[in-house]
Amino acid sequence: GAGVSQSPSNKVTEKGKDVELRCDPISGHTALYWYRQSLGQGLEFLIYFQGNSAPDKSGLPSDRFSAERTGGSVSTLTIQRTQQEDSAVYLCASSLWATNTEAFFGQGTRLTVV
Amino acid sequence: EDKVVQSPLSLVVHEGDTVTLNCSYEVTNFRSLLWYKQEKKAPTFLFMLTSSGIEKKSGRLSSILDKKELFSILNITATQTGDSAVYLCAVGTSMNYGGSQGNLIFGKGTKLSVKP
Repeated sequence: GAGVSQSPSNKVTEKGKDVELRCDPISGHTALYWYRQSLGQGLEFLIYFQGNSAPDKSGLPSDRFSAERTGGSVSTLTIQRTQQEDSAVYLCASSLWATNTEAFFGQGTRLTVV
Repeated sequence: EDKVVQSPLSLVVHEGDTVTLNCSYEVTNFRSLLWYKQEKKAPTFLFMLTSSGIEKKSGRLSSILDKKELFSILNITATQTGDSAVYLCAVGTSMNYGGSQGNLIFGKGTKLSVKP
């Protein structure tokens, strides 16, 4: 596609439910990042995929968070048993190759846990 | 621990002023430094810098990297109200030299407010 696409753009869920957030990177981009941004805060790194290499999961805040990337393209971030502190904007970015090429962001998913 | 520090955290100026935003970093295996502008949700890409001393310029915005002193600046001349945003600095790293694993580490941003 022309840009990074994320869905849904907004998600309201009840505490304790599972949610799935989707990211469609720019076609041909091998690197994909997930970040979380709470209100008024900076970007918190969650996970990084690069090609077929094992992902860097060092930023995932707990075992309730997981992500996969199928076929080296679309990625899904799953949050199980959501809690109110999970409320944030979840941003996905992709770049052509690794961390020495420009990364472009999607519009994000605003998650609200009530 | 890798870190990126931006200053100031916030800045209020009037239209026409020139501003300089700072980004310093301490990382292992530096690969790149990137600047973004964030107005609503998605940060929009401004510049990527990989070499010291080479200025990147786009209209009223310019940026330069100093890999010896480990910092970068973003200059905005003749500011306009539309420049009001949070400006984010990110440093691309690799886990080992030339490796494909790594990260984009973001600073907390500088919130710029341009008053008419």
